[in-house]
Amino acid sequence: SQELEQSPQSLIVQEGKNLTINCTSSKTLYGLYWYKQKYGEGLIFLMMLQKGGEEKSHEKITAKLDEKKQQSSLHITASQPSHAGIYLCGADEAGGGADGLTFGKGTHLIIQP
Amino acid sequence: GAGVSQSPSNKVTEKGKDVELRCDPISGHTALYWYRQRLGQGLEFLIYFQGNSAPDKSGLPSDRFSAERTGESVSTLTIQRTQQEDSAVYLCASSLVRGPETQYFGPGTRLLVL
Repeated sequence: SQELEQSPQSLIVQEGKNLTINCTSSKTLYGLYWYKQKYGEGLIFLMMLQKGGEEKSHEKITAKLDEKKQQSSLHITASQPSHAGIYLCGADEAGGGADGLTFGKGTHLIIQP
Repeated sequence: GAGVSQSPSNKVTEKGKDVELRCDPISGHTALYWYRQRLGQGLEFLIYFQGNSAPDKSGLPSDRFSAERTGESVSTLTIQRTQQEDSAVYLCASSLVRGPETQYFGPGTRLLVL
């Protein structure tokens, strides 16, 4: 089965600084999904990437999927306290919209004022 | 509009007891998913319902776990004879159509088995 490794496991960043979170797969990614989790709020869908080299942005968050489709990075520019939370990457193993995703263990992001 | 709701939000139980977790999906969503997140681990897919089709139970970790859903409404996840390793956050998600990008997650039920 597909395995996803996220790094770093936790990250403490001063407010206003940039940061990058990585997600590496043991297999080719047919679809890579980024979610954010805050306590008591469930997961929030951020972005989905499908094509090698694809890059998407939402507000100050940019996600890329490398050409070989085995690694994705999530980049936050000028971090804010609202960015704090756990970031999870999820992979679609079969392609075409899987029934369930395989997830990484998450990256816990703390923003220091 | 209302999102996905789950109840209870927290549950503490003794080893060996049965527990039932409830998920109310967004109205009109045909697909419903259950996931489990144990401490320090990623999300694990448990089971998937799509309309009236037979559910995909491939992720259920043991025969102590079962889930039901009537039509496109409420789903219940039942864990029989709970074990300490069942302690986790159980997340439910629903989507209008099949496809992970449209999944909306509930806040989860935090289960602690003593």
